[in-house]
Amino acid sequence: GQQLNQSPQSMFIQEGEDVSMNCTSSSIFNTWLWYKQDPGEGPVLLIALYKAGELTSNGRLTAQFGITRKDSFLNISASIPSDVGIYFCAGRTGTASKLTFGTGTRLQVTL
Amino acid sequence: NAGVTQTPKFQVLKTGQSMTLQCAQDMNHEYMSWYRQDPGMGLRLIHYSVGAGITDQGEVPNGYNVSRSTTEDFPLRLLSAAPSQTSVYFCASSRKSGVSANVLTFGAGSRLTVL
Repeated sequence: GQQLNQSPQSMFIQEGEDVSMNCTSSSIFNTWLWYKQDPGEGPVLLIALYKAGELTSNGRLTAQFGITRKDSFLNISASIPSDVGIYFCAGRTGTASKLTFGTGTRLQVTL
Repeated sequence: NAGVTQTPKFQVLKTGQSMTLQCAQDMNHEYMSWYRQDPGMGLRLIHYSVGAGITDQGEVPNGYNVSRSTTEDFPLRLLSAAPSQTSVYFCASSRKSGVSANVLTFGAGSRLTVL
């Protein structure tokens, strides 16, 4: 089946640093999404992207829909302790109702 | 507004036992799904449903059964548990189509250990 590979697998950063992570696919997606999972909870949607090349921000978070439609990127600026968690990309192809999730990037923020 | 409710939160089974993970949502969402989360593997789709009476397989359906007799409920059944099914299971729901289809609401998860 389709697979979304995220990198890096984990990150340890200091508070105030910027963070970049990406997600790549072997298939073309027409919707890219980024979710965050806080420890002990289910994931929550952060950003949705619908067009190739689209750049969308949500506060300190910025995500981009790759031109090839096979990748997406998430940047977090000026990280804070509450940014700790696992970040998942997710994608949808065509009119498919199901979402495919990536392998996740675990973010740890030290003071 | 409870959102998505999963029970139980924790469960320990012996190999070969059967059990059902319950999932209920009160948002009138057409789409419901089950994922399992394993370290380094992300969230993998087990089964999903786009409405009452309709179910379909995801990436990793083997060993699991589902049914959707009502809009609200989407139970996941393990007929003969195996250690490979040790995982954290998440139920999620959303609208079936449109922009809202991308906003999956997840339950809090069910941690299953099979000995």
